[in-house]
Amino acid sequence: ETGVTQSPTHLIKTRGQQVTLRCSSQSGHNTVSWYQQALGQGPQFIFQYYREEENGRGNFPPRFSGLQFPNYSSELNVNALELDDSALYLCASSLGDRSYEQYFGPGTRLTVT
Amino acid sequence: QKEVEQNSGPLSVPEGAIASLNCTYSDRGSQSFFWYRQYSGKSPELIMFIYSNGDKEDGRFTAQLNKASQYVSLLIRDSQPSDSATYLCAVNTGSNYQLIWGAGTKLIIKP
Repeated sequence: ETGVTQSPTHLIKTRGQQVTLRCSSQSGHNTVSWYQQALGQGPQFIFQYYREEENGRGNFPPRFSGLQFPNYSSELNVNALELDDSALYLCASSLGDRSYEQYFGPGTRLTVT
Repeated sequence: QKEVEQNSGPLSVPEGAIASLNCTYSDRGSQSFFWYRQYSGKSPELIMFIYSNGDKEDGRFTAQLNKASQYVSLLIRDSQPSDSATYLCAVNTGSNYQLIWGAGTKLIIKP
């Protein structure tokens, strides 16, 4: 167990709806990265938060947004859901914005119908 | 486009043998290299990381890095059925915080 938790475990939404996914980082870690993993693919970087600021973003549209709180937990928000947003959403925590030793939570499986 | 390539497999290896997993990357500026294991339906688990050319050993696992050939590998000695999983290679170029991931190699250890 990494100490990184995510909620909910599974979620089913309808196209056009909005969703919020949550992540609590490992104790002592101040950086959270979010990834989208489609079936049979490697994780795709969405964005990273370091000390409550967005520290970089991958190739995802603005309807993917995030937030990090003072306790370093984080949220991923997705607006106007599309069918292709169906995937496993992973958050990973690490210590410092330049630490690449990232530890993953169990993930949230999102299905958009 | 920075890429990380892995053979998707499946790679089938007899129990007790050495499993060899390979990964190539396109960006010569890459500095950090990671191997993650992912069981079906689970999240990736960090196994090893390597920053310098050569070998790095941790128990049954050895990571090998050759920056000149832009090649990183993972050897698993004395393979066990519990090693059956998808192995993901991830690379950081050093220019930012982002990890570039391969699609993974599925490894099957046959009893």
